[in-house]
Amino acid sequence: EPEVTQTPSHQVTQMGQEVILRCVPISNHLYFYWYRQILGQKVEFLVSFYNNEISEKSEIFDDQFSVERPDGSNFTLKIRSTKLEDSAMYFCASIVDRAQETQYFGPGTRLLVL
Amino acid sequence: KNEVEQSPQNLTAQEGEFITINCSYSVGISALHWLQQHPGGGIVSLFMLSSGKKKHGRLIATINIQEKHSSLHITASHPRDSAVYICAVPYGGSQGNLIFGKGTKLSVKP
Repeated sequence: EPEVTQTPSHQVTQMGQEVILRCVPISNHLYFYWYRQILGQKVEFLVSFYNNEISEKSEIFDDQFSVERPDGSNFTLKIRSTKLEDSAMYFCASIVDRAQETQYFGPGTRLLVL
Repeated sequence: KNEVEQSPQNLTAQEGEFITINCSYSVGISALHWLQQHPGGGIVSLFMLSSGKKKHGRLIATINIQEKHSSLHITASHPRDSAVYICAVPYGGSQGNLIFGKGTKLSVKP
């Protein structure tokens, strides 16, 4: 069965450093999402991406965050200057279209900012 | 912005018991999602439903759009059902962007 993959599975970084989290969505999917889950808290929507542009973003997704789909397969989330509070599990998800029932999630990247 | 409330927060059951998890939301929606988060953190989509009832194996999800309420039922629960079950509704009217509930942590004892 096709799956969404994410790399790395874990990343440790120093505060102020830039990190790039990578996702490979399922190949025929058109809508892509990033979510985050701070330890012990609920999953939160960050951003959605369609047709090579952001379609919606939450208040969490400030100027420190950016997304791109550089090569038609990868979907990346960049955090420009990490803060301690960015420590979380980051999930990528994709769907074929908005009517599709199943949203496919990647396994997540656990980011720890020291 | 929609508020999503789930109950109970934690649930312990004996193997074979019938489980019910509830979800309520504050703003009318077109569809609601139920997801399962495994102990390792992975998230799996279980259902998306906009009306009535859906069944998949031992899982049954129901929704009452007028009352802004949904339930997830597990029949003949098994220890492998132990996970966090999360209800989610669309954020800003778009199906894909989701607002998640805090989840219900289910533990099924053998």
